[in-house]
Amino acid sequence: DVKVTQSSRYLVKRTGEKVFLECVQDMDHENMFWYRQDPGLGLRLIYFSYDVKMKEKGDIPEGYSVSREKKERFSLILESASTNQTSMYLCASTRDRGLSPLHFGNGTRLTVT
Amino acid sequence: QKEVEQDPGPLSVPEGAIVSLNCTYSNSAFQYFMWYRQYSRKGPELLMYTYSSGNKEDGRFTAQVDKSSKYISLFIRDSQPSDSATYLCATYNQAGTALIFGKGTTLSVSS
Repeated sequence: DVKVTQSSRYLVKRTGEKVFLECVQDMDHENMFWYRQDPGLGLRLIYFSYDVKMKEKGDIPEGYSVSREKKERFSLILESASTNQTSMYLCASTRDRGLSPLHFGNGTRLTVT
Repeated sequence: QKEVEQDPGPLSVPEGAIVSLNCTYSNSAFQYFMWYRQYSRKGPELLMYTYSSGNKEDGRFTAQVDKSSKYISLFIRDSQPSDSATYLCATYNQAGTALIFGKGTTLSVSS
């Protein structure tokens, strides 16, 4: 079974802090994704990566950046956290983008105060 | 029009009921359709995956795609309290780069 692991289940950060969310997958998948999930808005794509050191903006990239130095690891960075970035963050991976389903981690619930 | 629309519910049914969950989509080029189940405080897990039109059955679950009306459905037979969760429909965007999701329907099955 594919395992996608997000390093933190819950995080509380202060406004203006730089925040790192880490995600690791164990199935050698090329493609990795970061979504955020908010009540009434559903899942929205922040960034995705289809190879090491490659990244593409999703629908809501503003205020975020990503890093993919190794195939198995995809990090989401909040450059200067703001209260409107309080959300559930979900990492996912897949082998064949456009063909196969995504496998999700259990999420990181981030609160920015 | 949103690319994928889903009635958020909530939907409450008694144990043993047949449940129908539905989504509509806007782009006739979409071909791969998925249903995810998400329990509280967990990530979404893949439930069903279908390609193009037709039905796919897995135990108590049946996924149906009607491309002529751009309608996808998930049927749950003999619903159980353990089916209480949020159900998300999803399809790949036209570029094939990422999944786009409905907003999810929250289902509660009472014993």
